[in-house]
Amino acid sequence: AQKITQTQPGMFVQEKEAVTLDCTYDTSDPSYGLFWYKQPSSGEMIFLIYQGSYDQQNATEGRYSLNFQKARKSANLVISASQLGDSAMYFCAMREGSSNTGKLIFGQGTTLQVKP
Amino acid sequence: SQTIHQWPATLVQPVGSPLSLECTVEGTSNPNLYWYRQAAGRGLQLLFYSVGIGQISSEVPQNLSASRPQDRQFILSSKKLLLSDSGFYLCAWSVELLVKEQYFGPGTRLTVT
Repeated sequence: AQKITQTQPGMFVQEKEAVTLDCTYDTSDPSYGLFWYKQPSSGEMIFLIYQGSYDQQNATEGRYSLNFQKARKSANLVISASQLGDSAMYFCAMREGSSNTGKLIFGQGTTLQVKP
Repeated sequence: SQTIHQWPATLVQPVGSPLSLECTVEGTSNPNLYWYRQAAGRGLQLLFYSVGIGQISSEVPQNLSASRPQDRQFILSSKKLLLSDSGFYLCAWSVELLVKEQYFGPGTRLTVT
């Protein structure tokens, strides 16, 4: 069965430093998509970055990059030059390509706190 | 541009009372719509999804139901709330099933007392 695992309940990072949030996944479908969302204390879910299973290059969006290691089934999020506003909960999610629902399966999340 | 609305923003209801949460999307046609629930400190769990008017699929058996009376309206209901129904309810939409992003609404925080 498909599964997303985020093993870091909480992380701290110093402002302006880089931080890596871990995510591993499990699926038997060769076609899938991996997502990262940010959830600030307000509760809204903000889409950050997407990686398709057939994408040759790691996805990047501004200060966000996704370290996609297909053989290891990992999709870690790297945030460079952390800012105080990056403090939030971060969720990794997966959508299987064979799914006709478009539904996302979410990990448990990692709470990131950026220290000034 | 597309926007998604949810109301109410917060709700406190006694056990056994009915529930109706509403989600509407503006600026797009025939969206796929989703209801998720997030328990405190947990990830999101998909409850229902809909690919068109009157078409509802349930992911998790429970005492909740969903309806889609109009193209851009998605309603989550219950006849009798349980304590375990407390949580943060998020509505989301996407244009096509396999599109990259799902866009989320602001959410409704439900407390059942």
